[in-house]
Amino acid sequence: DIQMTQSPSTLSASVGDRVTITCRASQSISSWLAWYQQKPGKAPKLLIYKAFSLESGVPSRFSGSGSGTEFTLTISSLQPDDFATYYCQQYHSYPRAFGQGTKVEIK
Amino acid sequence: EVQLVESGGVLVKPGGSLRLSCADSGFTFSSYGMNWVRQAPGKGLEWVSSISDSSIYIYYADSVRGRFTVSRDNAKNSLFLQMNSLRAEDTAVYYCARNRAAGEVDYWGQGTQVTVSS
Repeated sequence: DIQMTQSPSTLSASVGDRVTITCRASQSISSWLAWYQQKPGKAPKLLIYKAFSLESGVPSRFSGSGSGTEFTLTISSLQPDDFATYYCQQYHSYPRAFGQGTKVEIK
Repeated sequence: EVQLVESGGVLVKPGGSLRLSCADSGFTFSSYGMNWVRQAPGKGLEWVSSISDSSIYIYYADSVRGRFTVSRDNAKNSLFLQMNSLRAEDTAVYYCARNRAAGEVDYWGQGTQVTVSS
């Protein structure tokens, strides 16, 4: 089974900061990786699919990169609405696996 | 507008059974694979099960295999999760979620709370 590891678990940042979250797969998943944003009490929201493709309606300050086993989600200029928890998920094979999440907090 | 609406979550005793439903609208349900994903209190997302559009392919997490059964009724645009032999560690919000063709999940329901406690 493929395991997904995110880092950091928590990130403190200020509005306007550039933020990078890393996700590592235990084996190659090519580009079959998605990033989701979740706010408290709400369902997750798809941000990025196929490692780097921006979901329709998602602000362009979000970007994804990587392939194989190393991936990053970057927020170019953190906005107040971006304080949330972010998850990566591989969809290369079953069982599907999520990373443990990265909580982006206000510094 | 795509809508996924879960129901059936309640308080149940350990060892009990429960059937979750997900009513879907705003898209051609029979053309999409579907998933159940859960989130225990204060924890991260955990994939539970997936079912292909025609129910030919079905997958389960090790933590639920043999206890949970996923099914769908394409005529009624509905997804189900039969949960048997429930344990305290099954306590979570259960989300119904839609797969796009490549596999990424693009729509989620609002979730239904399942609590397993004596």
